[in-house]
Formats: sequence, structure tokens, C-alpha cells
Amino acid sequence: GAVVSQHPSRVICKSGTSVKIECRSLDFQATTMFWYRQFPKQSLMLMATSNEGSKATYEQGVEKDKFLINHASLTLSTLTVTSAHPEDSSFYICSARDQIADTQYFGPGTRLTVL
Amino acid sequence: GQQLNQSPQSMFIQEGEDVSMNCTSSSIFNTWLWYKQEPGEGPVLLIALYKAGELTSNGRLTAQFGITRKDSFLNISASIPSDVGIYFCAGPRLTGTYKYIFGTGTRLKVLA
Repeated sequence: GAVVSQHPSRVICKSGTSVKIECRSLDFQATTMFWYRQFPKQSLMLMATSNEGSKATYEQGVEKDKFLINHASLTLSTLTVTSAHPEDSSFYICSARDQIADTQYFGPGTRLTVL
Repeated sequence: GQQLNQSPQSMFIQEGEDVSMNCTSSSIFNTWLWYKQEPGEGPVLLIALYKAGELTSNGRLTAQFGITRKDSFLNISASIPSDVGIYFCAGPRLTGTYKYIFGTGTRLKVLA
């Protein structure tokens, strides 16, 4: 079946640094990808929609300058957490929409810990 | 705004028992999705429902799309230890077909 990968699977960084997370669709093209955030013991919350070749759209309350999204190809979207702080520590999950199959697939997630 | 509330929040059951959980919304959904998430992993789709009243099975799992379109139910028959995880319902927002809202989750623990 279709697979979505994320890299890295976990990352620890110091406060103030920036971290880039990659989301790849491995066997299909995805014009649209989504980024979710999940805090411990909570549900997934949609952060933004990543559109290939155009600007991402952000959900209310999500700072676009802090969470930079780039969707430069049909198989790759990146989320950069800029100037990370401890409160940004979370599980970040991407999903990719397979337009042909009309299905959305989720990645395995990236656990970010900011010290 | 739209919210999806799941019940129960968590449950411990004995291996071999049947499990029922539900998901309710204050607004209508046209699609209901049920996902399972294991620790440290992304959610995996279990069942998708597209029509009010629809009853769909996937192995030991059965899900139903409520007639009112404001709720959905997931049943697991003869539970086994690997059923452990968090079960989420989800549905597309009104404003965007593929932007999903996730429910609050039901955490299932199976006692062998």
C-alpha cells in the first residue's frame, strides 16, 4: 500500500535553534499534504495545509512565521520549526493525499523535544 | 466550531471480550473515519464510512455511520492484546474536504 515517510523520527534540539522535518510520499504524488501536531495524551490537531507550488494555508492560531512549510515537489513537504522553544515539543505528524486513489495516508510522526 | 467527542475516554477489557465505542458531533458529517494509533506511530485507517446508516466491517472491526449523521460507532469483537492503542474517529471539516478533525480518542487496554 501507499506509504508516507517522515524524517527524522525523533529529534532533540536546544532552545532557539531551528528544526526541519521532512514528509515524503513514497509511491504516489501528493499535491496536498497536511501537518498535524499532537501533544501527549491528546488528539491530533491540524496545523496547516501544504500545497505543491503555492503557499501553505495555516489554521487559526498557528504562526506561519514560526512553522515554515515548503512543498517544492509532488513528493516532499518540509516543516521547519524556527527558534524552537520547549513549548514546541510535540509529536508532529504529516499526511499526504493521493488524488488518484482519493485517499489520505499518514506518516509515522516525528517526536520533537526542545531542551 | 466542530468537535468530535469520543466515549469512553479509556477502557480496560479482558482478552476475548467485545468492545464498543462511539463518536458524537454537534454538527453533521458526510464522512466518518476510524483510525488506530499505536504509541509513537501515526494513525492508521481502519474503516471509512460515507453514507448515513452504513455498516462496514474490517475483520473483527465493525463501524456504523449514524442515521443522524452526527455520530458513529466502532465495535471490536473478541479483542486480542494487539488491539491495544488509541482509537480516533475523524471527519472532514465543512470548509475543506480533506482537512480532518480528529476526535478526543478512546484508549483501549486489553488484559490477557
